[in-house]
Amino acid sequence: DQQVKQNSPSLSVQEGRISILNCDYTNSMFDYFLWYKKYPAEGPTFLISISSIKDKNEDGRFTVFLNKSAKHLSLHIVPSQPGDSAVYFCAASGSGGSNYKLTFGKGTLLTVNP
Amino acid sequence: KAGVTQTPRYLIKTRGQQVTLSCSPISGHRSVSWYQQTPGQGLQFLFEYFSETQRNKGNFPGRFSGRQFSNSRSEMNVSTLELGDSALYLCASSKRQELAKNIQYFGAGTRLSVL
Repeated sequence: DQQVKQNSPSLSVQEGRISILNCDYTNSMFDYFLWYKKYPAEGPTFLISISSIKDKNEDGRFTVFLNKSAKHLSLHIVPSQPGDSAVYFCAASGSGGSNYKLTFGKGTLLTVNP
Repeated sequence: KAGVTQTPRYLIKTRGQQVTLSCSPISGHRSVSWYQQTPGQGLQFLFEYFSETQRNKGNFPGRFSGRQFSNSRSEMNVSTLELGDSALYLCASSKRQELAKNIQYFGAGTRLSVL
């Protein structure tokens, strides 16, 4: 069963506009949620995270929103830049014995057009 | 500061062989995790080590094993390779202060092809 889902395999936006990437999860025991960005031939790069006790976290152009009741989170990139074109992974981390692993979604390919 | 280093970057093996992949974490990071990435299954957790102890293991057969050395470097081994083991194997490390948030820093991976 897929505990973290990214239902949009791809997203295309214009430079300067907002990019919104979505992620749903099923496991209510997840404590932290993270977003990673991956370029071809490179490993995933950590972008931003949010604790389950918060509903928003901001870092520069990147903002993550968490809706616990809906088990949904989203990453907003404003403004989008061509260099943001990459695969974005949503990941979740549990507590206790499962705290030491990340459960990933399958990723969304973002293309920012100049 | 050097990032997570994985060697080799590419590897070609045949069915039935075994393979060892190596990972050097970021200096000062003591937690090392391994993940397998395939087009069908995405990124899947293999195992995690801290101070030479395996703390968590994913749902992979016993052919997949790992270990961590006293300098935090880690190796993973896959025995009796199968075609389905072809994948990108990623290593990630974490520092003590970020363990609770599980922020992990990834290497570029080892691309394993099994023929």
